[in-house]
Amino acid sequence: EVQLVESGGGLVQPGGSLRLSCEASGFPFSSYAMSWVRQAPGKGLEWVSILSDSGGSTYSADSVKGRFTISRDNSKNTLSLQMNSLRAEDTAVYYCAKGSSDYYGSPIDYWGQGTLVTVSS
Amino acid sequence: ESVLTQSPGTLSLSPGERATLSCRASQSVTSSYLAWYQQKPGQAPRLLIYGASIRATGIPDRFSGSGSGTDFTLTISRLEPEDFAVYYCQQYGSSPYTFGQGTKLEIK
Repeated sequence: EVQLVESGGGLVQPGGSLRLSCEASGFPFSSYAMSWVRQAPGKGLEWVSILSDSGGSTYSADSVKGRFTISRDNSKNTLSLQMNSLRAEDTAVYYCAKGSSDYYGSPIDYWGQGTLVTVSS
Repeated sequence: ESVLTQSPGTLSLSPGERATLSCRASQSVTSSYLAWYQQKPGQAPRLLIYGASIRATGIPDRFSGSGSGTDFTLTISRLEPEDFAVYYCQQYGSSPYTFGQGTKLEIK
């Protein structure tokens, strides 16, 4: 059974940093592209960033470029999102999401339950 | 960036009725790389359709997708009580892999 378990969310002040982690199990992690998608309270889904299976290719939304860095450790089946220079508008539930193939242009077939990040003073 | 616009914003129907949801892209979607997701309150989204018209594993055949280029449709042939939720389209053909703003399907 595919499982994606996020951790690392919490309350952080504007300008601060936070690192999210996603522990994956139930599938060959190193063979799939992985993404982060966020959802502000009461709002729709916003794609954040994607990383290819090997970690060699990455793309991010303009809203987080230069501030957020996606990475993975295939030896530990872990996906991470380093978030710096956080703003109030980054407040959201952050979902770890599995692509359906190694190619980054693939739909998301599994989602974690999400971790809440709140940016507030 | 391809902006996806979903309509209507809210759709009020009764169980047993047919639902038609629209997703329009500002640019042609590469290779029909268009997916539909369902999200219920307090839950993560679930993949329904990918490749514009391919049902994901375990999705009932009352869900169908169609379209190409810039116009796509999700149809639910006969609504079941569990189908009332928010639906999102997403294009995954070119970065940024944008989502539509969602259509809320509510019970009339």
